[in-house]
Amino acid sequence: GAGVSQTPSNKVTEKGKYVELRCDPISGHTALYWYRQSLGQGPEFLIYFQGTGAADDSGLPNDRFFAVRPEGSVSTLKIQRTERGDSAVYLCASSFMGQGVRGANVLTFGAGSRLTVL
Amino acid sequence: GDSVTQMEGPVTLSEEAFLTINCTYTATGYPSLFWYVQYPGEGLQLLLKATKADDKGSNKGFEATYRKETTSFHLEKGSVQVSDSAVYFCARSGNQFYFGTGTSLTVIP
Repeated sequence: GAGVSQTPSNKVTEKGKYVELRCDPISGHTALYWYRQSLGQGPEFLIYFQGTGAADDSGLPNDRFFAVRPEGSVSTLKIQRTERGDSAVYLCASSFMGQGVRGANVLTFGAGSRLTVL
Repeated sequence: GDSVTQMEGPVTLSEEAFLTINCTYTATGYPSLFWYVQYPGEGLQLLLKATKADDKGSNKGFEATYRKETTSFHLEKGSVQVSDSAVYFCARSGNQFYFGTGTSLTVIP
């Protein structure tokens, strides 16, 4: 697609529920990132995919958080047993990686999914 | 560890004033450096970038120079406009693409 698409744009859920957030990256972008942004803060790294595999998942805060990218394109961030502290905007970004290629290694962000846990 | 530190805000300026937002980084190696901007109600957008030492990134009247000796990438604009009101994030490349905490800029007429 023309840009990074994230759905839903807003999600309100109750404490303890399961949530899935979807990211559709720019076509051809092999790298995909998930970040979390709380009010007044910068993006906090969660996980990075290169192709289908998670190249770095060190930012996932605990085992309630999990992300997949089974075909190397669309990714889903899954949060189990949500807590009020999970409320934030979840950002997805994609990039293609390369050397000496215009536009390479630059993240393009989606508009984000705002999660509110009541 | 690797990180990005940027000047805290909020910053309030009058239209046509000079803007500087400081940013320093730590890194092993030579990362690419970026400034992203987030306008009210919108997502993060790339403003400018520099990929090696002494490179100057520029866009929309904003400039930043990659200074290896001071590990800095300060954002500057000679004459700000009301439409520049936004939150600005300094970032550096790496597996995690590290971001600063953001600096909120408000430009008043």
